[in-house]
Amino acid sequence: DAGVTQSPTHLIKTRGQQVTLRCSPKSGHDTVSWYQQALGQGPQFIFQYYEEEERQRGNFPDRFSGHQFPNYSSELNVNALLLGDSALYLCASSAVPYEQYFGPGTRLTVT
Amino acid sequence: AQSVTQLDSHVSVSEGTPVLLRCNYSSSYSPSLFWYVQHPNKGLQLLLKYTSAATLVKGINGFEAEFKKSETSFHLTKPSAHMSDAAEYFCVVSKNNQGGKLIFGQGTELSVKP
Repeated sequence: DAGVTQSPTHLIKTRGQQVTLRCSPKSGHDTVSWYQQALGQGPQFIFQYYEEEERQRGNFPDRFSGHQFPNYSSELNVNALLLGDSALYLCASSAVPYEQYFGPGTRLTVT
Repeated sequence: AQSVTQLDSHVSVSEGTPVLLRCNYSSSYSPSLFWYVQHPNKGLQLLLKYTSAATLVKGINGFEAEFKKSETSFHLTKPSAHMSDAAEYFCVVSKNNQGGKLIFGQGTELSVKP
């Protein structure tokens, strides 16, 4: 079992650009959640997808959007990047209501 | 509303001595509580979880935690620290058994001295 995978591992973007991050869930999981972890902080919940719909959303602006595909994989899109968007973005998968398993994350640097 | 407070940002112990990482929670609902560990440049790994069954929860690598409703606490303990335990530890709360958003504490960095 490959576990939760995320791509890319690292990327560097410029302010104002757009970025797409990808996540493949653990086998047997149908729910994907995204979290943002700023340096030295605990992760913060962005949103959760189930059955290709946004099931729950945290306190993030509309610049953050997502998508879930029929194979349960997911994308996180961030538009109009700000310096403050620099963080580790973590994807977690689960079979609700059970525990969430995290991927290794994507390190985004905005310059 | 739900929140988590980790009472220590950094804990340092010697190898072979006990570990105590403290966590208090606040929840309007019956909570699920978790401890996750994050090693440098790695993802988060679940150590243990409480979901309204036994109040003393045993996890992986010899860790355990006790849910105390009267004290709104969920402290993480281990009888004997190992060098490989050095990492960042997060206490997490969510609505019980709903699989929804996880609310993380700020983290406690555990250092283990030889």
